Amino acid sequence: DQQVKQNSPSLSVQEGRISILNCDYTNSMFDYFLWYKKYPAEGPTFLISISSIKDKNEDGRFTVFLNKSAKHLSLHIVPSQPGDSAVYFCAVRIQGAQKLVFGQGTRLTINP
Amino acid sequence: EAQVTQNPRYLITVTGKKLTVTCSQNMNHEYMSWYRQDPGLGLRQIYYSMNVEVTDKGDVPEGYKVSRKEKRNFPLILESPSPNQTSLYFCASSRINTVNTEAFFGQGTRLTVV
Repeated sequence: DQQVKQNSPSLSVQEGRISILNCDYTNSMFDYFLWYKKYPAEGPTFLISISSIKDKNEDGRFTVFLNKSAKHLSLHIVPSQPGDSAVYFCAVRIQGAQKLVFGQGTRLTINP
Repeated sequence: EAQVTQNPRYLITVTGKKLTVTCSQNMNHEYMSWYRQDPGLGLRQIYYSMNVEVTDKGDVPEGYKVSRKEKRNFPLILESPSPNQTSLYFCASSRINTVNTEAFFGQGTRLTVV
């Protein structure tokens, strides 16, 4: 049973516009939420995270929003740049554990 | 430079021939883990280790073994590989810290079992 779901396998956005990637989770015992970015032939790299006690965290062009009542996490990238084209994974940490559970990933393509 | 190093990057092998994928980190991290990435399934954890000589099963441990004799190394062993273990494998490490859960990943090992 998939505890973390990214329902959009792919997303295409024009350069300069906002990219919004979404993630839904089922377990209320998750206490930390993260986004990873992956380029082809490379390992995932950490992008941004948010604790369950917050609802927003911003880092430059990247903002993560957490809606606990809806069990929904989103990543906003604005403005989108060609270098943002990658696969994005959301990940959640089980409270009290070190383990991360990953979503299926969304392939983001930024068009010039 | 802080990094997680996996070897080999690519491997084609035959069913039943034992193989080991090595993983080494230079950040003195306590926690290390192995994931496999398959289309439509994302990253699934195979095994993890909280520290030297402490290992435990993840979500998909069948057909795999690990060992943690030294803090920096966490090899993944396939005693008798089968075609359903054809996948992209990632090793990751992180500190055990209640605040920072950032994991550092290796570049991946693409394994094909024929």
